[in-house]
Amino acid sequence: DAGVTQSPTHLIKTRGQQVTLRCSPKSGHDTVSWYQQALGQGPQFIFQYYEEEERQRGNFPDRFSGHQFPNYSSELNVNALLLGDSALYLCASRIVGGGARETQYFGPGTRLLVL
Amino acid sequence: AQSVSQHNHHVILSEAASLELGCNYSYGGTVNLFWYVQYPGQHLQLLLKYFSGDPLVKGIKGFEAEFIKSKFSFNLRKPSVQWSDTAEYFCAVTGGSNDYKLSFGAGTTVTVRA
Repeated sequence: DAGVTQSPTHLIKTRGQQVTLRCSPKSGHDTVSWYQQALGQGPQFIFQYYEEEERQRGNFPDRFSGHQFPNYSSELNVNALLLGDSALYLCASRIVGGGARETQYFGPGTRLLVL
Repeated sequence: AQSVSQHNHHVILSEAASLELGCNYSYGGTVNLFWYVQYPGQHLQLLLKYFSGDPLVKGIKGFEAEFIKSKFSFNLRKPSVQWSDTAEYFCAVTGGSNDYKLSFGAGTTVTVRA
């Protein structure tokens, strides 16, 4: 049973560029959330996708956007990269049916460095 | 808005010592509480969770946590730590039944010395 997978594992970009990160949810899961974890901090919620729509969003600017595909996989796009976007980006998946009590399973993350 | 605070940034212990990590949350309604752990080189995984019922919950690897509603706290405990418990520990909360975002604390790094 494959867990949550993310690609790439590491990425280096320069300021102003755009980046796309990818996530495949755990088998049987239909909901994907994205989190940003800066060094020394806990993960911060970016947004959640279910049925190919953004269902909930955290306090992140519009430069952060996403997409969910019919197979439930998801992409996170960040435009006009800033130095402060350097972080570990985590994807988490869950089954929507359990509500807010349902466990979210996390992937290994993508480490993004913006120079 | 929800917020979660973890009292200790870094805890250093010897093997067999007892561990208690503090977590306080701020939220005005029903909450669901979680403790996640991140071992070196591994991804976040769930230790335990609390929704309702018995305020003392048991998780994996001998960990337990106690929910004290009056203190808005959800402290994590383990009676006797092992070297393999070296990791970063995160307390997190979701609010109510329709709030799916996890709000995390800043985390506590636990180092267990052999």
